[in-house]
Amino acid sequence: DAGITQSPRYKITETGRQVTLMCHQTWSHSYMFWYRQDLGHGLRLIYYSAAADITDKGEVPDGYVVSRSKTENFPLTLESATRSQTSVYFCASSVDRGLAYEQYFGPGTRLTVT
Amino acid sequence: SQELEQSPQSLIVQEGKNLTINCTSSKTLYGLYWYKQKYGEGLIFLMMLQKGGEEKSHEKITAKLDEKKQQSSLHITASQPSHAGIYLCGAGTAIQGAQKLVFGQGTRLTINP
Repeated sequence: DAGITQSPRYKITETGRQVTLMCHQTWSHSYMFWYRQDLGHGLRLIYYSAAADITDKGEVPDGYVVSRSKTENFPLTLESATRSQTSVYFCASSVDRGLAYEQYFGPGTRLTVT
Repeated sequence: SQELEQSPQSLIVQEGKNLTINCTSSKTLYGLYWYKQKYGEGLIFLMMLQKGGEEKSHEKITAKLDEKKQQSSLHITASQPSHAGIYLCGAGTAIQGAQKLVFGQGTRLTINP
């Protein structure tokens, strides 16, 4: 089915381990985004990508790495997970219709770092 | 940077009652988005407002953007249990020809039967 999917949906990892969260969209949207959602902070942008091989930092990029070798995939890697990275992570995508459009969100990945 | 403040942060209403959620921006809004999030799930797009004074409705939900484009309200008429969830407003800011969204902290809505 068309849409935006994230995997895994739930992940528990230990401090210091590398973790990769996957995001896949079937719409061929140009733009993709990674957000984290935390109590008291709402949704904050980590990284975004305007197209394959084009990525840029959002509000809270420290400790995260992204890549986008294919339009449909936008993985987010935590190089050395810390407890402060325990959060719910959302991937989103949107078309490049100019300055007014909506973003479509995936179901989220709940990550716990112990 | 743009900041969005939502009020109230949480709301408990009796089924059938009307309610309003507000979203206030620190800067002029050029695109205001309302999303709904069910507990433990992703965000569902509800409506987008762009023009001052604009009003949009979908089923029993109406969103308005004020003339000065710094405040938006979301109004639900005759609330139902299906309306329960977290409502987030988002403001679009331009990045490389598209928009990134800055979100308010959300309003948690509970509907009591």
